[in-house]
Amino acid sequence: AQSVTQLDSHVSVSEGTPVLLRCNYSSSYSPSLFWYVQHPNKGLQLLLKYTSAATLVKGINGFEAEFKKSETSFHLTKPSAHMSDAAEYFCVVSDRAGNTDKLIFGTGTRLQVFP
Amino acid sequence: EAGVTQSPTHLIKTRGQQATLRCSPISGHTSVYWYQQALGLGLQFLLWYDEGEERNRGNFPPRFSGRQFPNYSSELNVNALELEDSALYLCASTRTYEQYFGPGTRLTVT
Repeated sequence: AQSVTQLDSHVSVSEGTPVLLRCNYSSSYSPSLFWYVQHPNKGLQLLLKYTSAATLVKGINGFEAEFKKSETSFHLTKPSAHMSDAAEYFCVVSDRAGNTDKLIFGTGTRLQVFP
Repeated sequence: EAGVTQSPTHLIKTRGQQATLRCSPISGHTSVYWYQQALGLGLQFLLWYDEGEERNRGNFPPRFSGRQFPNYSSELNVNALELEDSALYLCASTRTYEQYFGPGTRLTVT
């Protein structure tokens, strides 16, 4: 079965410093992995996706993630945090077993950005 | 291109009542997914509709049901509401595998 584990429930950074949100996955086959962001009282927005092409994936708003099969990781990074990055971030794996594409969400990481 | 829309934004019901939530997918998208985001439980897959048929459902009781209309919009019905059904219900649409989410309907059961 597919699953993702987000290693930190909360991450706090100062504006202008790097962001690292950690995610490990478990998959019996080559996974499709995503990072979504959810701002307060808003829906989910896709930040980036990995679908077995390049292992370093660039997303919107300066975020990127690297797929590391040997470590079963898909950590999200950004070189310099902005106040507007404060939100909940979800690491997600697509479960294609049984011909379904349901998404399996991690428990989320709340990112706080201090001035 | 208009995004996924959901209505109503907020819904307040009492225990035992029924709730109906609606979702309009992005034009050209034929699949609709429903997810529940409940406090402390995270985001969980509820239902998947494609081409008017229910294709899969998550680990939820039968009182959670829905349908997809010929124009690919979808309805989620929750019967015999319980307090723990209070959550944000998110709808997503897709044409391939990338899912686009609506803003959600917040259901409060009192």
